[in-house]
Amino acid sequence: AQSVTQLGSHVSVSEGALVLLRCNYSSSVPPYLFWYVQYPNQGLQLLLKYTTGATLVKGINGFEAEFKKSETSFHLTKPSAHMSDAAEYFCAVSRYGGSQGNLIFGKGTKLSVKP
Amino acid sequence: GAVVSQHPSWVICKSGTSVKIECRSLDFQATTMFWYRQFPKQSLMLMATSNEGSKATYEQGVEKDKFLINHASLTLSTLTVTSAHPEDSSFYICSAGDRLRPQHFGDGTRLSIL
Repeated sequence: AQSVTQLGSHVSVSEGALVLLRCNYSSSVPPYLFWYVQYPNQGLQLLLKYTTGATLVKGINGFEAEFKKSETSFHLTKPSAHMSDAAEYFCAVSRYGGSQGNLIFGKGTKLSVKP
Repeated sequence: GAVVSQHPSWVICKSGTSVKIECRSLDFQATTMFWYRQFPKQSLMLMATSNEGSKATYEQGVEKDKFLINHASLTLSTLTVTSAHPEDSSFYICSAGDRLRPQHFGDGTRLSIL
């Protein structure tokens, strides 16, 4: 069965510092992996996704993630944090494979950015 | 990009009433829509998968008679919380997708039952 573990429920960085949000997954099929961002009282916005091919995936707002099969990881990074990056971030894996199926979400990581 | 509209964004009602939440895909035909529930400071939990023209598939533990889902067209799915009680208060989020694109989420509906 698929599952997602996000290490750290809360991450705090200074503005301009590196952002690293950790995600490890478990999947019985080739994983399709996603990162979503959620601002307060809003739905989820897709940041990036990994399906097949290049393991380094670039997304919106300067975020990127690298799929590492050997480590079963899909960590999200951004070289320089901006105040507007403060939000909740969710890592997800497709339950049955494919990019359209049911998603299994991690518990989320709240990112705080200090001025 | 794809846009999914969810309405209403916030609803407060008395215990015992039924509440309908709409989820619309505005610029594509969504063969599948998903309904999630999110408790404060927690992740999204899938409630059900809705396919156009067929009965919804509910996740284990979700009462299908309590949470009625209708997906009558390729652009609209509705979730009706019947005889709502305070424990049904939550943030409900829908998402829509088709075979070409990943899920796109609505902005959610905050339901408060008094």
